[in-house]
Order: sequence, then structure tokens, then C-alpha cells
Amino acid sequence: TAGITQAPTSQILAAGRSMTLRCTQDMRHNAMYWYRQDLGLGLRLIHYSNTAGTTGKGEVPDGYSVSRANTDDFPLTLASAVPSQTSVYFCASSDSTGETGELFFGEGSRLTVL
Amino acid sequence: GQNIDQPTEMTATEGAIVQINCTYQTSGFNGLFWYQQHAGEAPTFLSYNVLDGLEEKGRFSSFLSRSKGYSYLLLKELQMKDSASYLCAVGDSNYQLIWGAGTKLIIKP
Repeated sequence: TAGITQAPTSQILAAGRSMTLRCTQDMRHNAMYWYRQDLGLGLRLIHYSNTAGTTGKGEVPDGYSVSRANTDDFPLTLASAVPSQTSVYFCASSDSTGETGELFFGEGSRLTVL
Repeated sequence: GQNIDQPTEMTATEGAIVQINCTYQTSGFNGLFWYQQHAGEAPTFLSYNVLDGLEEKGRFSSFLSRSKGYSYLLLKELQMKDSASYLCAVGDSNYQLIWGAGTKLIIKP
């Protein structure tokens, strides 16, 4: 079973370039999330979507945008990357609205902005 | 502010028992979660506590005291594959998760 698939697995990006991280789930979960994970810090929520057609801002939304055109896909776009966006990005989903249901994570996308 | 505190790193011996503590201060409480994350991999769900007391699941147990803002994860009969980071997260009044930075557990033979 695929669960959640993220792409690319890793990417090196020049500052100022745009980039879209893809996330697809096959569990028909309503809620989806994007987190970034940095050394020494807890996971931080970037954006979320409780259901297709709706999105919301998390703790660190600046510089990122998302869309939720359908249940399965939740891409994260960096319009103009900066070095501080170097991080590991995790997409997650849940069959509960709100993060306080069990979260299922993708394998992560490691992004380096130079 | 809201914060979750857990030790940065712990070392234990294969076959032994280890307890990983987590203290929290959040606006409201809607459950406490433990996730396991092996290096370079995704976090995976381990346990969920919403009421005080101990929840046991095989070799892993999780304890919660809401009045003390305290939880621990107990791992018994440690195996080398238990070497991982253990993430504590608390649901706040908005049903959003506040995450600790994780405890890296090193298991030695």
C-alpha cells in the first residue's frame, strides 16, 4: 500500500527559484498537512487542509503556498526560495479533522536552497 | 507561550528498560502523542493518551498526568531497532499539535 507519496525525495535549488513539492495520498483522508523539520526544533506546521477545496495557515506559512483541488493531492509551492527554507519537508494526512488524530507521514523531501 | 520539553539524547543498553520524559505547557489539552522516527525516515505513530494513566502496547507503554503536564514513554526489552528519535506532541485548545524537538535514543549492545 502506498499511503502517502512525496516527490522529489531531495532537491538542490538556487535561491530565487520556484519549486513545488508534491504530495499524494491514497487513503481518502480528508485532512492533509505540510510540516518542516529542522535540527533541534520540533515539527512546525506550514499549511493544512481539512478537506478538499479549503486550506489554512499553520505556524510558519510565510514564503509557502498550497492548494487542495481534490482529496488526494496537496502540493506545496515555494514561489521564490531562500536559504532559510533549507529543511526536510513532510506531508501528512489524517482521517480526523484537526491534527489530533493519528497522522500518517510521507517519507519526506529534503530541500537545500543555495 | 506553548512548549514541549524532552531530553535531547539518551543512551540505553540492549535488553534494558528506558523511560523518555516529556513535559508540556499548552493552551488547553486535546491529547498527547508519541511518534517514533528512525533516521532519515518519516515519523510513525506509537501512542495516544487523553486520560491520566498508563496505556500499554506490547513493549511500549505511555503514561500521562494532566495535572502535572507530564508524560513518559517506557520502552522495555530494548532492541537495536529501537534506536530512533521519539517525538512528543500535544494537542492544544485549537486541536493543533505542538511538537517537542524529539529525544534521540541510542541503544548499545
